[in-house]
Amino acid sequence: KAGVTQTPRYLIKTRGQQVTLSCSPISGHRSVSWYQQTPGQGLQFLFEYFSETQRNKGNFPGRFSGRQFSNSRSEMNVSTLELGDSALYLCASSPAAQGRAFFGQGTRLTVV
Amino acid sequence: AQKITQTQPGMFVQEKEAVTLDCTYDTSDQSYGLFWYKQPSSGEMIFLIYQGSYDEQNATEGRYSLNFQKARKSANLVISASQLGDSAMYFCAMRALILTGGGNKLTFGTGTQLKVEL
Repeated sequence: KAGVTQTPRYLIKTRGQQVTLSCSPISGHRSVSWYQQTPGQGLQFLFEYFSETQRNKGNFPGRFSGRQFSNSRSEMNVSTLELGDSALYLCASSPAAQGRAFFGQGTRLTVV
Repeated sequence: AQKITQTQPGMFVQEKEAVTLDCTYDTSDQSYGLFWYKQPSSGEMIFLIYQGSYDEQNATEGRYSLNFQKARKSANLVISASQLGDSAMYFCAMRALILTGGGNKLTFGTGTQLKVEL
């Protein structure tokens, strides 16, 4: 069974631009969560989608948004990038409304 | 609100020795789950072990075991017979277990960097 796939793995963007990250969960998993990891703030929860509906949201500005498609694939969008958005963005999928979370390899975003 | 505390920023252990990574937690939830993840330098978070708050026995997964002491609110990870490949960052995390609308939001600790030496 294929694991969680995140694309792209690495990304360099300029301040003010926007970026879209993609996450394909494990087949059959309906829940997708996104996390931001930085050296200063550690791992922080961004949001979770379950069956195309946002179920939980972390404490991030509105520049961070996401969505989930009918095949459970999820995208995360960050608009008007700031230097502080440079981070490893991790996606996790779970099989059920509450289940064990399995993570992808992450997308490392650098904003210059 | 949930809080996870990992007080060991770094640990060293010799190959083939056992090591314990500490994790304490704080929550007002009656039911919750505790997780440990391993993060190598590549960045991927690898699931290691899970313990539910109502599980009577400590969880074990191969060389990993979770020493769960509910009254002390601790969930320490024990790695037996350490291997060089165990060198990585280890995160403790928790999630509320709510029958409806609980979701899969995880709260993480700050991590412990484990280095296994020859």
